[in-house]
Amino acid sequence: GENVEQHPSTLSVQEGDSAVIKCTYSDSASNYFPWYKQELGKRPQLIIDIRSNVGEKKDQRIAVTLNKTAKHFSLHITETQPEDSAVYFCAASKANNNDMRFGAGTRLTVKP
Amino acid sequence: EPEVTQTPSHQVTQMGQEVILRCVPISNHLYFYWYRQILGQKVEFLVSFYNNEISEKSEIFDDQFSVERPDGSNFTLKIRSTKLEDSAMYFCASSSSGRANNEQFFGPGTRLTVL
Repeated sequence: GENVEQHPSTLSVQEGDSAVIKCTYSDSASNYFPWYKQELGKRPQLIIDIRSNVGEKKDQRIAVTLNKTAKHFSLHITETQPEDSAVYFCAASKANNNDMRFGAGTRLTVKP
Repeated sequence: EPEVTQTPSHQVTQMGQEVILRCVPISNHLYFYWYRQILGQKVEFLVSFYNNEISEKSEIFDDQFSVERPDGSNFTLKIRSTKLEDSAMYFCASSSSGRANNEQFFGPGTRLTVL
C-alpha cells in the first residue's frame, strides 16, 4: 500500500521567514495530495491540495509543488506569521480509492 | 458553513467494554470516513463508507470495529471490546464525491480513553 514520508518532524522559523515541508510517496498511482493544518486539540483542516496533472499551485502565502517523477511534493509557506504555528500533515490518495494515507506530521513553530 | 459534528467529545471506558462513537456528516455528502490519531502521532485511515457499505478499510480496521449508518444523518463507529491501545482521537470525515481527490471535511474528533 501507499507509504507517505514527511520531513522534518519539527521546524522552527522566525516570523517573516519561509518554511518548507517535504513529503514523498511510494505508490505511483497516487494522484491527489492534500495538506492539512492541525492546531492543538483541533480537527485537521485542508489548507491546499494538488492533483497529479498540475506541478504547482499557489494560494496567497501558501504554495505546493509536485514532482511526479521523483514522487515527492512540498509545502511552501512564505512570510510566516505566529498563527501559522501548528502541525502540518501531507497526505496522498489515488483515484477510485478513498484510503488516504497521511505523513507523520511536521510541527511548525513561528517565533515572533 | 456546514460542519461535520461528533459526539461525545470525550469518552472514557473500561477495557473490554463496547463503545459507539457518533458522527453527523455534512448533509449532502455521500462518502464517510473514520480516522484515528494516537496522541502525538499521524492521522491513520480506518474505513470509508458509501451507499451503506464499506468501500475501503485499512489493516487497523479488524473484526473489533464496525460502522453503520443507522438513519439518514448519523454515521457510527463501534468498537466491540476496547483495548488499552484503542485510546486515541477518532475523527469522522465526509466528502461530497466518490472521487478520492475530493476534499474531506473533518469533524472535531472524539477522544477515547480506555482504562
